[in-house]
Amino acid sequence: GAVVSQHPSRVICKSGTSVKIECRSLDFQATTMFWYRQFPKQSLMLMATSNEGSKATYEQGVEKDKFLINHASLTLSTLTVTSAHPEDSSFYICSARLGNNEKLFFGSGTQLSVL
Amino acid sequence: DQQVKQNSPSLSVQEGRISILNCDYTNSMFDYFLWYKKYPAEGPTFLISISSIKDKNEDGRFTVFLNKSAKHLSLHIVPSQPGDSAVYFCAALYQGGSEKLVFGKGMKLTVNP
Repeated sequence: GAVVSQHPSRVICKSGTSVKIECRSLDFQATTMFWYRQFPKQSLMLMATSNEGSKATYEQGVEKDKFLINHASLTLSTLTVTSAHPEDSSFYICSARLGNNEKLFFGSGTQLSVL
Repeated sequence: DQQVKQNSPSLSVQEGRISILNCDYTNSMFDYFLWYKKYPAEGPTFLISISSIKDKNEDGRFTVFLNKSAKHLSLHIVPSQPGDSAVYFCAALYQGGSEKLVFGKGMKLTVNP
């Protein structure tokens, strides 16, 4: 099946720094990628929908200036958490849609810990 | 190597009947399991979860059963409704590790009126 690679799997950073998370579709072109955030034992919450070549669509309550999303190519979307704070510590996961197929392929996630 | 397996790609049931969705896992370190539901053109939404210290968790029409010895869990929906038609993902988590959420590939449930 299609593979979505997400890196890094785990990152620890100091408060105030920025962290970039990459999401790559390895063997298919993904016109749409999704970014989710999950707190422990809570539901996976959609943060934004990333469309190649256009601005991301953010869900209500998600700060677009804090969570910068760039989908510069059909195989790569990046999420940058700017000026990270401890409350940004969470599990972030991306997924990509295979063409017009509704099936979503997920990355393995990134555990962000902000000290 | 698939650590979370949903071996049946699809299931079709009649409205009012029980839907049983199965999930198997291979990693004995997993200690928390979740089911997600996904409608077409939407992201997955959390449905129900269960900790490894329990063998059953019930929420309305949805019940998840966990058999740790068999490394198997199942989601029961009763009675099934047409609005339940969606793709269901099983996911597993090792809370003491990297908290990496491992998903199954999903199973399409169709509930016929």
